[in-house]
Amino acid sequence: SQTIHQWPATLVQPVGSPLSLECTVEGTSNPNLYWYRQAAGRGLQLLFYSVGIGQISSEVPQNLSASRPQDRQFILSSKKLLLSDSGFYLCAWSVTGGTDTQYFGPGTRLTVL
Amino acid sequence: GEDVEQSLFLSVREGDSSVINCTYTDSSSTYLYWYKQEPGAGLQLLTYIFSNMDMKQDQRLTVLLNKKDKHLSLRIADTQTGDSAIYFCAIRGNDYKLSFGAGTTVTVRA
Repeated sequence: SQTIHQWPATLVQPVGSPLSLECTVEGTSNPNLYWYRQAAGRGLQLLFYSVGIGQISSEVPQNLSASRPQDRQFILSSKKLLLSDSGFYLCAWSVTGGTDTQYFGPGTRLTVL
Repeated sequence: GEDVEQSLFLSVREGDSSVINCTYTDSSSTYLYWYKQEPGAGLQLLTYIFSNMDMKQDQRLTVLLNKKDKHLSLRIADTQTGDSAIYFCAIRGNDYKLSFGAGTTVTVRA
């Protein structure tokens, strides 16, 4: 069966510090991968998606970036965090075809102070 | 992207039925999903419906789709305290990206 992991679970970082959030998927090959952000009391905003290694599409221009160094690894990064980067970051995966259902990880709670 | 609207809050008494509504704008939607989010957790897929279906039932869950009115609903029968959560509808268009509503917070009271 497929599982998706995210770490860390929670993170408190000062403004201007770098960020690296990691997401890994097990039990499937060549998944589509997604990074979402959920602000407090809000819906989900798609940040990045990837259909393969090294293929990243950005949905929202901002100071975040994403990378996919391996088939089942997706990393969200920033060189300098802003207060507005605080939120709940969710990684998801899907496979093309069938229902294209997206399955979500447990999330990372990021607080920028 | 597509606009997806949901009411923000729903309060229901334990044992009653809950109905959560969602409207969307894109007529090219293919799959429509309902997710549940408990506090501090990720999103859990509850059910989905294909756009050529009108209804889908899965145990206590019933999904109704009115494609003409672009209206999707989720009915939870015999609502329990464990059903308290935020419920998101999500619409898939012609690509593999999902458009999410803002979520409906369901509170189950004794």
